[in-house]
Amino acid sequence: NAGVTQTPKFRVLKTGQSMTLLCAQDMNHEYMYWYRQDPGMGLRLIHYSVGEGTTAKGEVPDGYNVSRLKKQNFLLGLESAAPSQTSVYFCASSGQRGEQYFGPGTRLTVT
Amino acid sequence: GESVGLHLPTLSVQEGDNSIINCAYSNSASDYFIWYKQESGKGPQFIIDIRSNMDKRQGQRVTVLLNKTVKHLSLQIAATQPGDSAVYFCAEVEIYSNYQLIWGAGTKLIIKP
Repeated sequence: NAGVTQTPKFRVLKTGQSMTLLCAQDMNHEYMYWYRQDPGMGLRLIHYSVGEGTTAKGEVPDGYNVSRLKKQNFLLGLESAAPSQTSVYFCASSGQRGEQYFGPGTRLTVT
Repeated sequence: GESVGLHLPTLSVQEGDNSIINCAYSNSASDYFIWYKQESGKGPQFIIDIRSNMDKRQGQRVTVLLNKTVKHLSLQIAATQPGDSAVYFCAEVEIYSNYQLIWGAGTKLIIKP
């Protein structure tokens, strides 16, 4: 039981490049979330999903897109990366109780 | 929107002493609250939660207190150890908003030897 995994762990992009972050969970959770965390700050919700095939906007959705084609996977895409998107990205999943389990994070630098 | 915030950004505690981390929240309709621990370079890790119909809940070396009158939440860590060094976040669960968490900014706990 791996819990929540994220790939890649690190990535450097140039402004304007695109990339996709992958999140996978093996706990059969319905809910999945993508957050970003800037240095010294708390987590901000980008997008979330309440089940396979559904997505919804969070607090800071601009510049990001997501897809939930399979229940266990939640993808976060950056179509045209900007330096303001330099951050650590965390994925989380939760069951009905609401307790979220987090992945190890992806550190993204946009130059 | 509603917010959850912390009183102190950094807390230094002597090893072996008890630590108390505080949190204020503003959404009185929230159903429950969670404390997370985040170690450097890692994702947040669940510590303990408490429902709004409770005043106190105890775990292993940790106790969470909820005072709904003043909208205040605290995390008490007994006999603080070096491994407790981390940033601690309180989060408010919005059950009617698909279990979204409203996060505070975090308190960094430093253990002095």
